[in-house]
Amino acid sequence: DVKVTQSSRYLVKRTGEKVFLECVQDMDHENMFWYRQDPGLGLRLIYFSYDVKMKEKGDIPEGYSVSREKKERFSLILESASTNQTSMYLCASSPRGYGYTFGSGTRLTVV
Amino acid sequence: EDKVVQSPLSLVVHEGDTVTLNCSYEVTNFRSLLWYKQEKKAPTFLFMLTSSGIEKKSGRLSSILDKKELSSILNITATQTGDSAIYLCAVWSNSGYALNFGKGTSLLVTP
Repeated sequence: DVKVTQSSRYLVKRTGEKVFLECVQDMDHENMFWYRQDPGLGLRLIYFSYDVKMKEKGDIPEGYSVSREKKERFSLILESASTNQTSMYLCASSPRGYGYTFGSGTRLTVV
Repeated sequence: EDKVVQSPLSLVVHEGDTVTLNCSYEVTNFRSLLWYKQEKKAPTFLFMLTSSGIEKKSGRLSSILDKKELSSILNITATQTGDSAIYLCAVWSNSGYALNFGKGTSLLVTP
């Protein structure tokens, strides 16, 4: 089974901190994605990557950046955390055109 | 702009009822439609429907793709409390790298 592992299930950070969310997949998938999920807004795409060192902005990239130095790892960076970035963050991977496998999610609270 | 709309947004039923969840889409170069179930954490894959596979069934769950009406339904018969979850519909287009998600239907099955 494909596994997508997110490093933290719950995280509490202070406003202004730099935050790293890590995601690792073990099935050699080309594509990796970061979403945030908020009540009433559904899943919104932050960034995705279709190859090592390649990244594309999604629908809501402001305040975020990403890094993909190795195929299996896709990191989401909050440069200066703010309270409106309190959310559930979901990482996913897939071969192109096929369904995603999601990680377990990281519930981030910024205080 | 690609769009995926789910209805209803929320639903409460009694155990044993049959429910139908709806998903309509407007995407350029449709490739496939996927259904996911999300309980407390990460969404888990249910079905993928394509032009060559428009009907899928697994136990009490079934789904149909209507290519003419650009929509899909997810049926759950003899509902159980364990069916309580958010059900997500998502669409791949041939021109996109990422799934386009609807906002989800929140289903609550009461004893």
